[in-house]
Amino acid sequence: DIQMTQSPHSLSASLGETVSIDCLASGGISNYLAWFHQKPGKSPQLLIYYASRLQDGVPSRFSGSGSGTQYSLKISNMQPEDEGVYYCQQGYTYPLTFGSGTKLEIK
Amino acid sequence: EVQLVESGGGLVQPGRSLKLACAASGFTFSNYYMAWVRQAPTKGLEWVASISNRGTTSYHRDSVRGRFTISRDNARGTLYLQMDSPRSDDTATYYCTRLITTVAHFDYWGQGVMVTVSS
Repeated sequence: DIQMTQSPHSLSASLGETVSIDCLASGGISNYLAWFHQKPGKSPQLLIYYASRLQDGVPSRFSGSGSGTQYSLKISNMQPEDEGVYYCQQGYTYPLTFGSGTKLEIK
Repeated sequence: EVQLVESGGGLVQPGRSLKLACAASGFTFSNYYMAWVRQAPTKGLEWVASISNRGTTSYHRDSVRGRFTISRDNARGTLYLQMDSPRSDDTATYYCTRLITTVAHFDYWGQGVMVTVSS
């Protein structure tokens, strides 16, 4: 199974700040990497798929990058609605696996 | 508008059975792979099972294989998860999801249905 390791586990940021979240796969996943955002009590929402492709309707302040085993999500100009937990997920091979999540709070 | 609406959750005793359903609308159901993803209380996301668009191929995580079965009825636009012999560690919110087939990412999610396994 491919393990997904996210870092940091949690972070806080001020409004307008830029933050980054990292995801490390235990094996190569050929850019089959997605990022999700989950607000408390809500279903997760797809932000980025195939490492860098922005899902329809997602603000352009979200961007994804990376290759091989290392991937990153960048959130520019942090907004209040960006609070919540972020997960990465590999779609390269079954079993499909998620990272353990990164909790983002407003400072 | 894509909509995924789960039903069938609730309290189930260990070893009994429960069947979840997900009614899909707003897209051509038979064109998409579908999946179930679960989230135990205060925990992260965990993929459970996926099924091909025609229902001919399915995948289950090791911990549920032989106990849970994913299926679909394309004529009814409905996805199912048959849960046999559930255990306490199957307690979770179960989400019905649609897959972007070529990259196996979940692009739409239902609101989730809670399943509690307890005597």
